[in-house]
Amino acid sequence: DIQMTQSPSAMSASVGDRVTITCRTSQAISTSLAWFQQRPGKVPQRLINHASSLQSGVPSRFSGSGSGTEFTLTISSLQPEDFATYYCLQYSTYPFTFGPGTKVDIK
Amino acid sequence: EVQLSESGGGLVQPGGSLRLSCAASGFTFSFAAMTWVRQTPGKGLEWVSLISSSGANTYYADSVKGRFTVSRDNSKNILYMQMNSLRAEDTAVYFCAKDMQLSDWGQGTLVTVSS
Repeated sequence: DIQMTQSPSAMSASVGDRVTITCRTSQAISTSLAWFQQRPGKVPQRLINHASSLQSGVPSRFSGSGSGTEFTLTISSLQPEDFATYYCLQYSTYPFTFGPGTKVDIK
Repeated sequence: EVQLSESGGGLVQPGGSLRLSCAASGFTFSFAAMTWVRQTPGKGLEWVSLISSSGANTYYADSVKGRFTVSRDNSKNILYMQMNSLRAEDTAVYFCAKDMQLSDWGQGTLVTVSS
Protein backbone atom coordinates (compact mmCIF):
# COMPACT_ATOMS: atom_id res chain seq x y z
CA ASP A 1 0.00 0.00 0.00
CA ILE A 2 1.10 3.57 -0.63
CA GLN A 3 1.99 5.35 2.59
CA MET A 4 1.14 9.01 3.04
CA THR A 5 2.75 11.63 5.23
CA GLN A 6 1.75 15.23 5.78
CA SER A 7 3.72 18.04 7.31
CA PRO A 8 3.23 19.77 9.53
CA SER A 9 0.72 17.71 11.51
CA ALA A 10 -0.57 20.90 13.10
CA MET A 11 0.14 24.58 12.86
CA SER A 12 -1.00 27.88 14.25
CA ALA A 13 -1.44 30.78 11.87
CA SER A 14 -2.99 34.22 11.70
CA VAL A 15 -5.57 35.65 9.32
CA GLY A 16 -3.72 36.86 6.25
CA ASP A 17 -0.83 34.41 6.59
CA ARG A 18 0.41 32.33 3.68
CA VAL A 19 0.13 28.67 4.60
CA THR A 20 1.80 25.72 2.91
CA ILE A 21 1.04 22.07 3.67
CA THR A 22 3.10 19.24 2.22
CA CYS A 23 1.96 15.72 1.36
CA ARG A 24 4.45 13.00 0.48
CA THR A 25 3.76 9.53 -0.90
CA SER A 26 5.86 6.40 -0.57
CA GLN A 27 5.60 5.73 -4.32
CA ALA A 28 5.26 7.98 -7.32
CA ILE A 29 1.63 8.68 -8.17
CA SER A 30 1.98 11.18 -11.03
CA THR A 31 -0.69 13.79 -10.23
CA SER A 32 -3.35 11.43 -8.82
CA LEU A 33 -3.80 13.43 -5.64
CA ALA A 34 -6.69 15.35 -4.11
CA TRP A 35 -6.91 17.76 -1.18
CA PHE A 36 -9.83 18.00 1.24
CA GLN A 37 -10.83 20.48 3.91
CA GLN A 38 -12.78 19.43 6.99
CA ARG A 39 -14.08 22.12 9.29
CA PRO A 40 -14.91 21.07 12.86
CA GLY A 41 -18.10 19.03 12.98
CA LYS A 42 -18.54 19.20 9.21
CA VAL A 43 -18.26 16.81 6.29
CA PRO A 44 -15.01 16.90 4.30
CA GLN A 45 -15.08 18.91 1.09
CA ARG A 46 -12.82 18.46 -1.88
CA LEU A 47 -10.69 21.49 -2.70
CA ILE A 48 -8.38 20.21 -5.42
CA ASN A 49 -7.96 17.11 -7.60
CA HIS A 50 -5.33 16.05 -10.12
CA ALA A 51 -2.88 17.76 -7.75
CA SER A 52 -3.64 21.27 -9.00
CA SER A 53 -7.20 21.50 -10.40
CA LEU A 54 -9.34 23.70 -8.21
CA GLN A 55 -12.84 22.42 -7.46
CA SER A 56 -15.59 24.67 -8.78
CA GLY A 57 -16.61 27.18 -6.12
CA VAL A 58 -13.40 26.92 -4.11
CA PRO A 59 -11.74 30.31 -3.54
CA SER A 60 -8.71 31.07 -5.68
CA ARG A 61 -6.55 31.60 -2.58
CA PHE A 62 -6.25 27.80 -2.54
CA SER A 63 -3.78 26.23 -4.91
CA GLY A 64 -2.11 22.87 -5.32
CA SER A 65 1.09 21.76 -6.96
CA GLY A 66 3.42 18.81 -7.28
CA SER A 67 3.78 15.48 -8.97
CA GLY A 68 5.48 12.19 -8.33
CA THR A 69 5.89 11.90 -4.57
CA GLU A 70 5.72 15.45 -3.24
CA PHE A 71 2.72 17.76 -3.27
CA THR A 72 1.78 21.05 -1.68
CA LEU A 73 -1.43 22.82 -0.79
CA THR A 74 -1.04 26.57 -0.44
CA ILE A 75 -3.46 29.07 1.03
CA SER A 76 -2.25 32.46 -0.13
CA SER A 77 -4.00 34.55 2.52
CA LEU A 78 -5.62 32.63 5.36
CA GLN A 79 -9.22 33.56 6.12
CA PRO A 80 -11.22 32.84 9.31
CA GLU A 81 -13.22 30.12 7.56
CA ASP A 82 -10.01 28.30 6.56
CA PHE A 83 -9.23 27.14 10.07
CA ALA A 84 -9.77 23.42 9.59
CA THR A 85 -8.03 20.11 9.07
CA TYR A 86 -6.66 19.35 5.62
CA TYR A 87 -6.18 15.88 4.15
CA CYS A 88 -4.54 14.60 0.99
CA LEU A 89 -5.71 11.47 -0.81
CA GLN A 90 -3.85 9.39 -3.39
CA TYR A 91 -6.05 7.70 -5.98
CA SER A 92 -3.33 6.22 -8.13
CA THR A 93 -3.17 2.72 -6.68
CA TYR A 94 -5.65 0.59 -4.75
CA PRO A 95 -6.21 0.70 -1.90
CA PHE A 96 -6.41 4.47 -2.01
CA THR A 97 -5.00 6.17 1.08
CA PHE A 98 -5.42 9.41 2.96
CA GLY A 99 -2.72 11.39 4.64
CA PRO A 100 -2.97 11.74 8.44
CA GLY A 101 -4.16 15.34 8.22
CA THR A 102 -2.87 18.82 9.02
CA LYS A 103 -4.79 20.88 11.55
CA VAL A 104 -4.63 24.63 11.02
CA ASP A 105 -5.76 26.64 14.00
CA ILE A 106 -5.73 30.24 15.10
CA LYS A 107 -2.54 31.70 16.52
CA GLU B 1 -27.47 19.19 -7.07
CA VAL B 2 -25.75 16.01 -5.95
CA GLN B 3 -27.29 14.54 -2.83
CA LEU B 4 -26.01 11.53 -0.91
CA SER B 5 -27.75 10.23 2.18
CA GLU B 6 -26.40 7.39 4.29
CA SER B 7 -28.48 5.24 6.61
CA GLY B 8 -28.27 1.99 8.52
CA GLY B 9 -25.78 2.90 11.20
CA GLY B 10 -26.28 2.01 14.83
CA LEU B 11 -25.02 0.02 17.78
CA VAL B 12 -23.92 -3.55 17.14
CA GLN B 13 -22.06 -6.10 19.24
CA PRO B 14 -18.59 -7.31 18.29
CA GLY B 15 -18.89 -10.07 15.73
CA GLY B 16 -22.20 -8.75 14.50
CA SER B 17 -23.32 -7.46 11.13
CA LEU B 18 -24.77 -4.28 9.73
CA ARG B 19 -25.75 -3.06 6.28
CA LEU B 20 -25.31 0.56 5.35
CA SER B 21 -27.14 2.25 2.51
CA CYS B 22 -26.42 5.41 0.57
CA ALA B 23 -29.25 6.91 -1.46
CA ALA B 24 -28.05 9.05 -4.35
CA SER B 25 -29.75 11.74 -6.42
CA GLY B 26 -28.90 14.71 -8.61
CA PHE B 27 -26.58 12.87 -10.98
CA THR B 28 -26.53 9.80 -13.20
CA PHE B 29 -25.76 7.22 -10.54
CA SER B 30 -25.09 4.40 -12.99
CA PHE B 31 -22.24 6.40 -14.56
CA ALA B 32 -20.39 7.06 -11.30
CA ALA B 33 -17.99 4.97 -9.28
CA MET B 34 -18.81 5.23 -5.58
CA THR B 35 -16.62 5.23 -2.51
CA TRP B 36 -17.00 4.53 1.20
CA VAL B 37 -14.81 6.44 3.66
CA ARG B 38 -14.86 6.23 7.44
CA GLN B 39 -13.71 8.45 10.27
CA THR B 40 -13.19 7.38 13.83
CA PRO B 41 -14.49 10.12 16.16
CA GLY B 42 -11.78 12.71 16.60
CA LYS B 43 -9.42 10.97 14.21
CA GLY B 44 -8.49 11.06 10.54
CA LEU B 45 -10.14 9.80 7.38
CA GLU B 46 -9.77 6.21 6.20
CA TRP B 47 -10.57 5.09 2.66
CA VAL B 48 -12.63 1.91 2.92
CA SER B 49 -13.93 0.74 -0.44
CA LEU B 50 -14.78 1.64 -4.02
CA ILE B 51 -17.18 0.10 -6.50
CA SER B 52 -17.11 0.77 -10.21
CA SER B 53 -20.07 2.30 -11.99
CA SER B 54 -21.37 -1.04 -13.22
CA GLY B 55 -20.60 -2.86 -9.98
CA ALA B 56 -18.29 -5.26 -11.75
CA ASN B 57 -15.16 -4.13 -9.90
CA THR B 58 -14.72 -3.64 -6.17
CA TYR B 59 -11.75 -2.62 -4.06
CA TYR B 60 -11.16 -2.63 -0.31
CA ALA B 61 -8.80 -1.39 2.36
CA ASP B 62 -6.77 -4.18 3.93
CA SER B 63 -8.46 -3.49 7.27
CA VAL B 64 -11.90 -4.55 5.97
CA LYS B 65 -11.08 -6.99 3.19
CA GLY B 66 -12.94 -10.26 3.63
CA ARG B 67 -15.39 -8.76 6.12
CA PHE B 68 -17.05 -5.91 4.21
CA THR B 69 -18.80 -6.17 0.84
CA VAL B 70 -19.75 -3.17 -1.28
CA SER B 71 -22.56 -3.40 -3.80
CA ARG B 72 -24.98 -1.17 -5.65
CA ASP B 73 -28.41 -1.16 -7.23
CA ASN B 74 -28.30 1.13 -10.24
CA SER B 75 -32.05 0.75 -10.80
CA LYS B 76 -32.71 2.26 -7.37
CA ASN B 77 -29.69 4.62 -7.15
CA ILE B 78 -28.53 3.03 -3.92
CA LEU B 79 -25.07 2.06 -2.73
CA TYR B 80 -24.63 -0.56 -0.02
CA MET B 81 -21.99 -1.75 2.39
CA GLN B 82 -22.51 -5.10 4.08
CA MET B 83 -20.33 -5.23 7.17
CA ASN B 84 -19.75 -8.59 8.86
CA SER B 85 -17.57 -9.76 11.75
CA LEU B 86 -17.54 -6.25 13.13
CA ARG B 87 -14.84 -5.22 15.56
CA ALA B 88 -14.49 -2.39 18.05
CA GLU B 89 -12.03 -0.70 15.69
CA ASP B 90 -14.75 -0.47 13.03
CA THR B 91 -16.51 2.13 15.18
CA ALA B 92 -16.65 5.24 13.01
CA VAL B 93 -18.78 7.58 10.99
CA TYR B 94 -19.18 6.07 7.53
CA PHE B 95 -19.48 8.40 4.56
CA CYS B 96 -20.39 7.59 1.00
CA ALA B 97 -18.83 9.76 -1.68
CA LYS B 98 -19.24 10.20 -5.41
CA ASP B 99 -16.56 8.88 -7.76
CA MET B 100 -12.98 7.85 -7.09
CA GLN B 101 -11.94 11.39 -6.38
CA LEU B 102 -14.69 11.97 -3.80
CA SER B 103 -16.22 15.02 -5.42
CA ASP B 104 -19.32 15.00 -3.17
CA TRP B 105 -20.00 13.47 0.25
CA GLY B 106 -22.98 12.44 2.29
CA GLN B 107 -23.49 13.50 5.89
CA GLY B 108 -22.37 10.15 7.27
CA THR B 109 -23.88 7.49 9.51
CA LEU B 110 -22.40 6.43 12.85
CA VAL B 111 -21.55 2.79 13.46
CA THR B 112 -20.72 1.82 17.03
CA VAL B 113 -19.35 -1.65 17.75
CA SER B 114 -19.54 -2.35 21.45
CA SER B 115 -20.86 -4.91 23.89
